[in-house]
Amino acid sequence: GESVGLHLPTLSVQEGDNSIINCAYSNSASDYFIWYKQESGKGPQFIIDIRSNMDKRQGQRVTVLLNKTVKHLSLQIAATQPGDSAVYFCAESGADGLTFGKGTHLIIQP
Amino acid sequence: DTEVTQTPKHLVMGMTNKKSLKCEQHMGHRAMYWYKQKAKKPPELMFVYSYEKLSINESVPSRFSPECPNSSLLNLHLHALQPEDSALYLCASSQVEGAPGELFFGEGSRLTVL
Repeated sequence: GESVGLHLPTLSVQEGDNSIINCAYSNSASDYFIWYKQESGKGPQFIIDIRSNMDKRQGQRVTVLLNKTVKHLSLQIAATQPGDSAVYFCAESGADGLTFGKGTHLIIQP
Repeated sequence: DTEVTQTPKHLVMGMTNKKSLKCEQHMGHRAMYWYKQKAKKPPELMFVYSYEKLSINESVPSRFSPECPNSSLLNLHLHALQPEDSALYLCASSQVEGAPGELFFGEGSRLTVL
């Protein structure tokens, strides 16, 4: 079946550095993607979304990039802070709801 | 109010018990969802309710029984569960089912089956 996945289960970065979390998707018909952040003991929290007619979208300290040619999605976090420590999931929005990728655990080193 | 509220936050039950998980939202959303999440795994869809009617059942065992009493409430009744059912159960809502858009998640109910 088609699914949305992430490349790395864990990403460790120094506080203050930029973080880049990657996601590959296989359904070329997907037209809407969301990044969620899930802190320990909490539910997933919306970060940013992007539609397939866009290549880039910026939020506060976060940027999502979409490369439809290679079916790749990335989340960039600028100036990573301790509060950014969480598991990050990309998700594809479709008729049956969300299909989540496997998640990347972002670890912030002091 | 942009919250989805789930109760209880933690639940421990034996395999012969009957318990329920509850979810409430007051955003006027007409689609509500139950997800199951095991440790270090992404959420997996269990059920979708659209306009208070069951829309999707992802082949979930009958020991899990969802109920949507009204547009703001969603319950998950549990009976004769197995230890492997221990997980975080997440409720979510969205404006309508199927339209691209944000899902709002609750904090989850962490279930332990002994």
